[in-house]
Amino acid sequence: ETGVTQSPTHLIKTRGQQVTLRCSSQSGHNTVSWYQQALGQGPQFIFQYYREEENGRGNFPPRFSGLQFPNYSSELNVNALELDDSALYLCASSLPGLSSYEQYFGPGTRLTVT
Amino acid sequence: KNEVEQSPQNLTAQEGEFITINCSYSVGISALHWLQQHPGGGIVSLFMLSSGKKKHGRLIATINIQEKHSSLHITASHPRDSAVYICAVPSYSGGGADGLTFGKGTHLIIQP
Repeated sequence: ETGVTQSPTHLIKTRGQQVTLRCSSQSGHNTVSWYQQALGQGPQFIFQYYREEENGRGNFPPRFSGLQFPNYSSELNVNALELDDSALYLCASSLPGLSSYEQYFGPGTRLTVT
Repeated sequence: KNEVEQSPQNLTAQEGEFITINCSYSVGISALHWLQQHPGGGIVSLFMLSSGKKKHGRLIATINIQEKHSSLHITASHPRDSAVYICAVPSYSGGGADGLTFGKGTHLIIQP
């Protein structure tokens, strides 16, 4: 059973650019959630995908978008990058139902926007 | 929306000490997560619990659903336990697709 992986590990982008972050879920998990963690803060929920559909979203603007593929891997896309988007981006996979199933977190992608 | 409070925010202790980290939340839930984050960012899930107590090695987690409170204990603490410990709960009482709400974390340092 493989764990959750994310790529790239680190990334530096310039304000206004676009970025794509990738996540491969734990084997058998059909739900993936993405979180943003600013320095010194707890993670904030961006959105969740279940069976290739977005089924929940936090307080993030539309320039944060995502995709989930049939193999349950996932992407987070951020357009028109702003300096405040600099953060650690975490994905977590699980079986459906956050109250019932354990979340498995990836190691994160650290994004720096200059 | 659930609010999560953790205490203490920072804790420095000597190797071997018994450690307690507390977490309170505002909206009734059916399960709570304890997570560990080391420098560099990766998060590891330690426990998910919905009642009573769970134990894994030197780590013990307890939860009181009625009081909306959970504690994480570390027995015989060791410098390798130094990390940020975070509790997280479903953002809304219905759980589902609204993600987790996280506490700000407890930064634990165990000195040799």
